[in-house]
Amino acid sequence: DAKTTQPPSMDCAEGRAANLPCNHSTISGNEYVYWYRQIHSQGPQYIIHGLKNNETNEMASLIITEDRKSSTLILPHATLRDTAVYYCIPPKAGRRALTFGSGTRLQVQP
Amino acid sequence: DARVTQTPRHKVTEMGQEVTMRCQPILGHNTVFWYRQTMMQGLELLAYFRNRAPLDDSGMPKDRFSAEMPDATLATLKIQPSEPRDSAVYFCASGIIVQGAQYEQYFGPGTRLTVT
Repeated sequence: DAKTTQPPSMDCAEGRAANLPCNHSTISGNEYVYWYRQIHSQGPQYIIHGLKNNETNEMASLIITEDRKSSTLILPHATLRDTAVYYCIPPKAGRRALTFGSGTRLQVQP
Repeated sequence: DARVTQTPRHKVTEMGQEVTMRCQPILGHNTVFWYRQTMMQGLELLAYFRNRAPLDDSGMPKDRFSAEMPDATLATLKIQPSEPRDSAVYFCASGIIVQGAQYEQYFGPGTRLTVT
């Protein structure tokens, strides 16, 4: 199983870009990286996923290094509503379910 | 706006009582997951179903927990008898294959269970 490392917490000023790193140095070549977040008292929410190329959607951008050992989730203009715990999810070979680690608690400051 | 729904949203019960939690997955999704979240353990998988068949329930205490999908629109998680250590938020999620091996999952609002 690919293991991930994320900083436990980060702060970001409202309106600025939030860059959340994740180290997944043991990821294998065909394993995707998924990002979810959980806002307080809500269920987790899917954000984005990627394999090799950078990805962008209406919520965020995902930058994956060429060696695929790490990735960065970018919220281009963070708002107070983006305050949440962000999870970089390691895929579990042969399983469909998600394994949530500790994540990064992002606090967006006004 | 399709969503996963869960009932009840809150449940307070006494130790020893039976608890049933219900989930309505998003129409067309063929996979359903049950997760439990506590402060100590974080989010952990209890069970999941694909096309209503249980694929993995290794995270679930078998002696008291049971999960079923009587039809494609309903998933249930039952605890009998309940214990104080079962107090947690229980999330249901549904998903569909996106790119072969992985799923996007859509979570419900959760059932907050308190066992006294």
